[in-house]
Amino acid sequence: ETGVTQTPRHLVMGMTNKKSLKCEQHLGHNAMYWYKQSAKKPLELMFVYSLEERVENNSVPSRFSPECPNSSHLFLHLHTLQPEDSALYLCASSQGTEPGANVLTFGAGSRLTVL
Amino acid sequence: GESVGLHLPTLSVQEGDNSIINCAYSNSASDYFIWYKQESGKGPQFIIDIRSNMDKRQGQRVTVLLNKTVKHLSLQIAATQPGDSAVYFCATLRRQLTFGSGTQLTVLP
Repeated sequence: ETGVTQTPRHLVMGMTNKKSLKCEQHLGHNAMYWYKQSAKKPLELMFVYSLEERVENNSVPSRFSPECPNSSHLFLHLHTLQPEDSALYLCASSQGTEPGANVLTFGAGSRLTVL
Repeated sequence: GESVGLHLPTLSVQEGDNSIINCAYSNSASDYFIWYKQESGKGPQFIIDIRSNMDKRQGQRVTVLLNKTVKHLSLQIAATQPGDSAVYFCATLRRQLTFGSGTQLTVLP
């Protein structure tokens, strides 16, 4: 496997469910990101991890809980979501977070539908 | 706050013609600019980048132009092909990437 891999590619869940999105990068990068992509809107940065430490949390509701057990894996735990949380969730990685090293490589995304 | 906007949400071009996608940004301190391409069902893919100390950079069939005076960025695609049909995003980089909302490019046969 190469690049950034996201699973599942599609997820449908009810508002009371608990589910998780998984991301794995095979690039040897030190930083990983979660973005939300909604229709007709710019990509929204949710979380940034650098060397497994969270360095950015862009006012994301607590029903989204990230986890970065090591520099190659990133999870997004989902709990009691709302229908407006339906979107494409993109994971990305970069060599680092400093300017010049933070060009992103994206995964294909996890399409989430909340009923 | 920082913002990045594309001039047109959609653009249709004939196969073989050149395409120009434009982008405006607000943060004059941005020092790095990137164009991404997102095909249906895929994540954004890096196309080309340019640093703020340059005004033009060429790749394979693509050229990025940067005008810092008017804070404008453009992506030119030469001899547009059906495989170029996608959503194109510009992004500016300072401490983090700030993305525009994207232009859907459709290549007509």
